[in-house]
Amino acid sequence: GDSVTQMEGPVTLSEEAFLTINCTYTATGYPSLFWYVQYPGEGLQLLLKATKADDKGSNKGFEATYRKETTSFHLEKGSVQVSDSAVYFCALKLSGGSNYKLTFGKGTLLTVNP
Amino acid sequence: EPEVTQTPSHQVTQMGQEVILRCVPISNHLYFYWYRQILGQKVEFLVSFYNNEISEKSEIFDDQFSVERPDGSNFTLKIRSTKLEDSAMYFCASSTIYTDTQYFGPGTRLTVL
Repeated sequence: GDSVTQMEGPVTLSEEAFLTINCTYTATGYPSLFWYVQYPGEGLQLLLKATKADDKGSNKGFEATYRKETTSFHLEKGSVQVSDSAVYFCALKLSGGSNYKLTFGKGTLLTVNP
Repeated sequence: EPEVTQTPSHQVTQMGQEVILRCVPISNHLYFYWYRQILGQKVEFLVSFYNNEISEKSEIFDDQFSVERPDGSNFTLKIRSTKLEDSAMYFCASSTIYTDTQYFGPGTRLTVL
C-alpha cells in the first residue's frame, strides 16, 4: 500500500543551521506531496505542497522538491530559527476520484536552540 | 483566518464508555475528515464525509465508530464502547473539495482507562 517514510527524530540544531528532513514515499499512482507542521499545542498546519514531479513547494523559507525518480520530497531550510521548533510531517495524497485520505509519515521533532 | 476547532482538548473515559468528539469545520468547507495518532505512531486516516455520507473509511473505522453532522456547523466522531487501544490524539480536518488542502484542528487527546 501507499506509505511515507521520514527520517527518525528528534533533530536538534543551533539557530542559523541548515535543516534537511528526509522523506520518501511509496505510491501506486501519482500522488500530491505535502509537508505539515505542528507547533506545540496546535493542530497540523500545511507548510508546503507539490502536486507533480519536479514541482518545488516553498513557504516561510522552507523548500521541498518533488523527485519522482527517487520518490522523495525532502524538506530543507537554509537557516533555522528557534521559532521553527515543531514536529514536521510528510504526507501524500493520491489524485483521482475516491481518493480522499492523506497518508502520513511518523513525524520528525525539530528543536532549534538559540 | 478561519480555523477548525475541536472540543474537548482532552477527554478521559473508562473502558466500555461511549465518547463523542466534536469538531467545527471551516464554514464553507464541504469535506470532513477524522484522523488519529496513537502516541509514537503515524497519523492515520479514519474516515472522510461528504454530503451527509461516508465517502471513504479505513479498516480502523469499524462498527464501534460513527460520524455525524448533526447540524450545519458540527461534525462529530462517536466511539460506542471505548477500548484501551482507542487512546490517541484525534484530529478533525476539512477541505473545500476533496482535491484541495485539508485544514486540521488542534486535536482531542482521548485517554481510555
